[in-house]
Amino acid sequence: EVQLVESGGGLVQPGGSLRLSCAASGFTFSSYEMNWVRQAPGKGLEWVSYISSSGSTIYYADSVKGRFTISRDNAKNSLYLQMNSLRAEDTAVYYCARLSSPLDYWGQGTLVTVSS
Amino acid sequence: SYELTQPSSVSVSPGQTARITCSGDVLAKKYARWFQQKPGQAPVLVIYKDSERPSGIPERFSGSSSGTTVTLTISGAQVEDEADYYCYSAADNNRVFGGGTKLTVL
Repeated sequence: EVQLVESGGGLVQPGGSLRLSCAASGFTFSSYEMNWVRQAPGKGLEWVSYISSSGSTIYYADSVKGRFTISRDNAKNSLYLQMNSLRAEDTAVYYCARLSSPLDYWGQGTLVTVSS
Repeated sequence: SYELTQPSSVSVSPGQTARITCSGDVLAKKYARWFQQKPGQAPVLVIYKDSERPSGIPERFSGSSSGTTVTLTISGAQVEDEADYYCYSAADNNRVFGGGTKLTVL
């Protein structure tokens, strides 16, 4: 069974940093590209970042470019999102997602709250 | 960057056909997917490659494409189909979701 389990969310002050992790299991993690997607409270889905299976190709949404860094450790079956210079508008549930239709998988998300 | 535009809400009675549109220039050259999201849950893929249905998704869900618009059709909508629906597409170094459509079935 494919599982994606996010962790690392929490309350952080504006300007602070946080590192999210996503533990993958049930599939050959190193063969799949991965994404981070977020959803602000009561709002829609927003794609945040993409990383290829090898980690050699990375993309970011304009809203996080220069502040967030996506990475992966295929030996540990893990995906990461380093978030720096956090702003109130970064408050959201962050999902780790394998978007490889028809077999798309999402984690249950981890909540990040940016507030003083 | 690209944009995908959806109506904010659609409302139908049980058994009626619900249609949700998604428009954007990128759809003329790239496939779309549709995700269903119920409150407190992660999104679930209901349509991919504009019109393909994943295993386990009821046949009442279908998709179509014409030019820069894709449409999700739910034929004979059920109360349990009430949810938010998002279109999604990927092109070059961008991935984008539509703003979402709240489907009410009552």
